[in-house]
Amino acid sequence: DSGVTQTPKHLITATGQRVTLRCSPRSGDLSVYWYQQSLDQGLQFLIQYYNGEERAKGNILERFSAQQFPDLHSELNLSSLELGDSALYFCASSVGASGSRYNEQFFGPGTRLTVL
Amino acid sequence: AQSVTQLDSQVPVFEEAPVELRCNYSSSVSVYLFWYVQYPNQGLQLLLKYLSGSTLVKGINGFEAEFNKSQTSFHLRKPSVHISDTAEYFCAVSDLAFGNQGGKLIFGQGTELSVKP
Repeated sequence: DSGVTQTPKHLITATGQRVTLRCSPRSGDLSVYWYQQSLDQGLQFLIQYYNGEERAKGNILERFSAQQFPDLHSELNLSSLELGDSALYFCASSVGASGSRYNEQFFGPGTRLTVL
Repeated sequence: AQSVTQLDSQVPVFEEAPVELRCNYSSSVSVYLFWYVQYPNQGLQLLLKYLSGSTLVKGINGFEAEFNKSQTSFHLRKPSVHISDTAEYFCAVSDLAFGNQGGKLIFGQGTELSVKP
């Protein structure tokens, strides 16, 4: 158990819908990262937040957005869902934003999204 | 831009045999390198990491990897595998070494290790 929790574990929805994935980081961690794992694209970095502020952005679609709340949990919002959005979405957390110092990322168990 | 290539998508091996999972990366500057393992229906777990110093790094569960800068490789090895090592293994590089962007991980496509009795 990494200490990172993600809910829900599974999500099945239809095309065009909107969903919210939730992540609670390890106690004391200020950084949250979101990754998408799909058969087509593999594991890709989406976005990172540090202490409520967006820190880095990857190949995140405009239909997707995220935020980190004052209690440090984070939510990833996916809208106008397409079949190709079906994937495993991972959240990871680390102590700091890194900068020039390494901070290990601890991964949650993921949320499996199926778009029908 | 950095990229990671895992040269084998699937590696079948018999129990107690040695195994090597190959990883090459591309980068024009120094990088941090990682191997993660993903067991079925679970998240990613860090096996080992190279940040600096000795090029031979040891990780959990008897795995080790060697950083080779001239060949831009970071191959993962285990001298004797167990059934329980069956999982998917991911090589990753971090842009942390550039001192920016917060340390996002760039992953290879993964290697499925299947250990047979």
